[in-house]
Amino acid sequence: GAVVSQHPSRVICKSGTSVKIECRSLDFQATTMFWYRQFPKQSLMLMATSNEGSKATYEQGVEKDKFLINHASLTLSTLTVTSAHPEDSSFYICSAIPDGLAGTDTQYFGPGTRLTVL
Amino acid sequence: KQEVTQIPAALSVPEGENLVLNCSFTDSAIYNLQWFRQDPGKGLTSLLLIQSSQREQTSGRLNASLDKSSGRSTLYIAASQPGDSATYLCAVRPPGTYKYIFGTGTRLKVLA
Repeated sequence: GAVVSQHPSRVICKSGTSVKIECRSLDFQATTMFWYRQFPKQSLMLMATSNEGSKATYEQGVEKDKFLINHASLTLSTLTVTSAHPEDSSFYICSAIPDGLAGTDTQYFGPGTRLTVL
Repeated sequence: KQEVTQIPAALSVPEGENLVLNCSFTDSAIYNLQWFRQDPGKGLTSLLLIQSSQREQTSGRLNASLDKSSGRSTLYIAASQPGDSATYLCAVRPPGTYKYIFGTGTRLKVLA
């Protein structure tokens, strides 16, 4: 079946550094991907919609200059957390809609990336 | 603004019990509702998806119902097993969008 991968699965970084998280659709193309954030014991909150070939659409309250999204190809979206701080520590999950199935309910979620900022 | 709430936040039951997880949403205008399972530190596994025109869906020991007019959905788990221990999330998809709005989750623990 269709699979969405994320890399890395876990990352620990120092405060002030930037971290890049990849979301990759392994056997399908996806013009549209989503990035969610989940704080400990809380639910997933949508951060942004990533569109291949155009700028990402950010949800209210999400700083676009801090969370840079690049959807450079039909199988890869990246989320870069710039100048990370401890409050950015969270579980980041992406999802992808297969092209050609956009009118259906099909959406695949990645396994998530645990970011810890010291 | 759509808000999704799940009750209870946590639940601990002995193995073999039947149980019900509740999900409520404030705006009845939804495209569909989906129940997910999330194991600790892991991604999401889709369990059941109910279209806005449907009343319920079943898969094995799981049954999900939807009452769109009252903004409620329930997930029924029959004959619970320790392997069912996880966090269960419900999520609604508003019309005209592919994004989901997630509930607060119910952390379930089934004791052997």
